[in-house]
Amino acid sequence: KQEVTQIPAALSVPEGENLVLNCSFTDSAIYNLQWFRQDPGKGLTSLLLIQSSQREQTSGRLNASLDKSSGRSTLYIAASQPGDSATYLCAVRLGSGNTGKLIFGQGTTLQVKP
Amino acid sequence: GAVVSQHPSRVICKSGTSVKIECRSLDFQATTMFWYRQFPKQSLMLMATSNEGSKATYEQGVEKDKFLINHASLTLSTLTVTSAHPEDSSFYICSAGKPGALDYGYTFGSGTRLTVV
Repeated sequence: KQEVTQIPAALSVPEGENLVLNCSFTDSAIYNLQWFRQDPGKGLTSLLLIQSSQREQTSGRLNASLDKSSGRSTLYIAASQPGDSATYLCAVRLGSGNTGKLIFGQGTTLQVKP
Repeated sequence: GAVVSQHPSRVICKSGTSVKIECRSLDFQATTMFWYRQFPKQSLMLMATSNEGSKATYEQGVEKDKFLINHASLTLSTLTVTSAHPEDSSFYICSAGKPGALDYGYTFGSGTRLTVV
């Protein structure tokens, strides 16, 4: 059974710091991995998606890496801003096509202090 | 891009009543939609996979008679919480993938906060 773990559960940093969020999964047979952002009481916004054959993806100040063999992914946020404060969730997709389920980690709640 | 709309965003109902939540794909046809449940400060748990024109596939431990899913068209899936009780209070969220663009991942609705009093 696939399990996804995120460390740390919560993180508080001063504005401007670079930070890394960690995600690990127990079964390396994944189709892809996706990082999401969730603001309190809101839905999910997709940040980055990494296919199983890829090593990393970048979007602006965000960089996500994937090491499928070791079951790890990291989300790197450069020059953090107060607006980055949110919960970050990683999810692995188990299969291709319309039936591929997403298994989520517990999330990392980030607070960036001005 | 792929847009998923969910309605209502918030609902308060009395114990014993039923509540229907709608999930619509606005700019694409979704043969499959997913329904998740999220308790406070916890992650998303998949409840069921909704398939257009056929029965939903429920995850282990989810009562299919309590959480009725109907996917009658390619753009609409509904989740009905029947005979709701306070323990059903939660955040419900749906997602869908755009066929032909599944490499871009799933898009999520904005969620529905259900409070049963």
